Amino acid sequence: KAGVTQTPRYLIKTRGQQVTLSCSPISGHRSVSWYQQTPGQGLQFLFEYFSETQRNKGNFPGRFSGRQFSNSRSEMNVSTLELGDSALYLCASSRTGGAMNTEAFFGQGTRLTVV
Amino acid sequence: QKEVEQDPGPLSVPEGAIVSLNCTYSNSAFQYFMWYRQYSRKGPELLMYTYSSGNKEDGRFTAQVDKSSKYISLFIRDSQPSDSATYLCALMGSGTYKYIFGTGTRLKVLA
Repeated sequence: KAGVTQTPRYLIKTRGQQVTLSCSPISGHRSVSWYQQTPGQGLQFLFEYFSETQRNKGNFPGRFSGRQFSNSRSEMNVSTLELGDSALYLCASSRTGGAMNTEAFFGQGTRLTVV
Repeated sequence: QKEVEQDPGPLSVPEGAIVSLNCTYSNSAFQYFMWYRQYSRKGPELLMYTYSSGNKEDGRFTAQVDKSSKYISLFIRDSQPSDSATYLCALMGSGTYKYIFGTGTRLKVLA
């Protein structure tokens, strides 16, 4: 069974640019969550999607956005990149995302470096 | 005060030791609890998942949840050098669809 696939694995961008990250969940999983991981803040929740609807959003500025497609694949976008956006961006998938069947499986992450 | 507190370590133990990793939390609304293992430059790997107080065992790993004390633990028996990693606890409240993570405990098992 294929796991969660995130692309690309590594990215280097310049301040002010924008970036789009992709996540393909495990087959049959309809919930996709995104997290930012930094050494100082640990894992912080960005947003969660289920059936193309955002159900929850973390405390990040509006420069961070996401979407989910009908096949459950998800993308997140960061516009006007700042140096502080350098982090490992992790995607997690689960069957439903809430109540039962809420175990979340993570991808390998996309390491974004902003210079 | 953070919602979830976890000792960052590092914790160094000899091979074969029993390891105890812990998290405390402040919000009684948390109902789902997970433990992840994360190796350097990898994504977190799910180890244990539980949604009730009590113990859950899987091989060398035992997860313990005490909702009355707002305290969760992960025990690793017969620890191996391959267990050296960062261990993260993650908690979710019903209907929130997001996990709150501890900062992670770095564990080093010495051969």
